[in-house]
Amino acid sequence: GAVVSQHPSWVICKSGTSVKIECRSLDFQATTMFWYRQFPKKSLMLMATSNEGSKATYEQGVEKDKFLINHASLTLSTLTVTSAHPEDSSFYICSARGASGIDEQFFGPGTRLTVL
Amino acid sequence: AQKVTQAQTEISVVEKEDVTLDCVYETRDTTYYLFWYKQPPSGELVFLIRRNSFDEQNEISGRYSWNFQKSTSSFNFTITASQVVDSAVYFCALTEYGNKLVFGAGTILRVKS
Repeated sequence: GAVVSQHPSWVICKSGTSVKIECRSLDFQATTMFWYRQFPKKSLMLMATSNEGSKATYEQGVEKDKFLINHASLTLSTLTVTSAHPEDSSFYICSARGASGIDEQFFGPGTRLTVL
Repeated sequence: AQKVTQAQTEISVVEKEDVTLDCVYETRDTTYYLFWYKQPPSGELVFLIRRNSFDEQNEISGRYSWNFQKSTSSFNFTITASQVVDSAVYFCALTEYGNKLVFGAGTILRVKS
């Protein structure tokens, strides 16, 4: 149980375009979803936390107008990288936490974004 | 504030050697959770273990074992008889209840045949 999927697994886009990444909890309801960014050979950095039906909470230094997060349902959150630039190229990982009271996050397989 | 330190940036061992990955954490809370994750080259995080702050029992799972010591704020991970498939980046992480998950910098483990 507790499977989280991400789509797409990789994407290449041109500079200036917007890219949407989906994160889905397949077998549980995710009241909270998290988005992380990972640079090569670095650790995971939390970008934002989103609760279903409310606005996301962004970590310091993360541009909320650049990285739009929507958590419209208990099984789906989306991250849209707007007007992408080469410096946005990275590995984006989402995770989901259910309402069971157990403080554990279940991670998606990640999306590799390359902006040309 | 929460903090996780993995001082070992990279470790190289030869197959069948035992290897211990260190993790030291900082927290002001009495209720917290510690995790270890494996990240193979594919990138997907693989959950290995979760331990809450009230359970200091060491755990063994096959070739993996974990040593949790609150007195030294450490949660070390040992792989016995390492194999090439163990090559990956290993992350230790900490969350205070209801708070965000904080990751250590990770340790790259290279197991050579």
